[in-house]
Amino acid sequence: NAGVMQNPRHLVRRRGQEARLRCSPMKGHSHVYWYRQLPEEGLKFMVYLQKENIIDESGMPKERFSAEFPKEGPSILRIQQVVRGDSAAYFCASSPTTKGGNEQYFGPGTRLTVT
Amino acid sequence: AQSVTQPDIHITVSEGASLELRCNYSYGATPYLFWYVQSPGQGLQLLLKYFSGDTLVQGIKGFEAEFKRSQSSFNLRKPSVHWSDAAEYFCAVGTGTASKLTFGTGTRLQVTL
Repeated sequence: NAGVMQNPRHLVRRRGQEARLRCSPMKGHSHVYWYRQLPEEGLKFMVYLQKENIIDESGMPKERFSAEFPKEGPSILRIQQVVRGDSAAYFCASSPTTKGGNEQYFGPGTRLTVT
Repeated sequence: AQSVTQPDIHITVSEGASLELRCNYSYGATPYLFWYVQSPGQGLQLLLKYFSGDTLVQGIKGFEAEFKRSQSSFNLRKPSVHWSDAAEYFCAVGTGTASKLTFGTGTRLQVTL
């Protein structure tokens, strides 16, 4: 059973460009979470999605950031007009149920560098 | 809102020595608690979890953790550290009504030979 897949692993964007990060959850998992890790910091929750629904986006910046998890295909985290402060590692996790007690399985992350 | 504190930013131990990493949480109800390990440039791997029941939980790689409600703690232990345990360790708390995890800032473990 393949784990959580994320691509690309590394992404370089110039200021003002768009960044698209993809996440394919583990087989059988229908819940996806995105976290951001700034250098020397822990992970910060961004958004929680189920298929075609955003359940909790309390950690998402109000502007430039959006996320989707379509019926078919991977979940996408989109950052428009990137700025240097967006440089970070973005991790996706998946879990099989909605209960908070079920553990989340993490992907290897996408490291975004904004130049 | 829940929060997690890992008071030790960096710990160095000798190979073969015992290890204890501290984690304190703040949450009004029974928490769901996790320890994850992250090697440089890698994702997070789940070491162990506590949902309910026995307060001493066993995980992978010889790690264990003990939930102490009275102290709001969930400390991670290992009786004998191996050089390959050098990594960053994160404690996290989840809730029953929301699925997001709240992470501590991590403890970086260095193992000397």
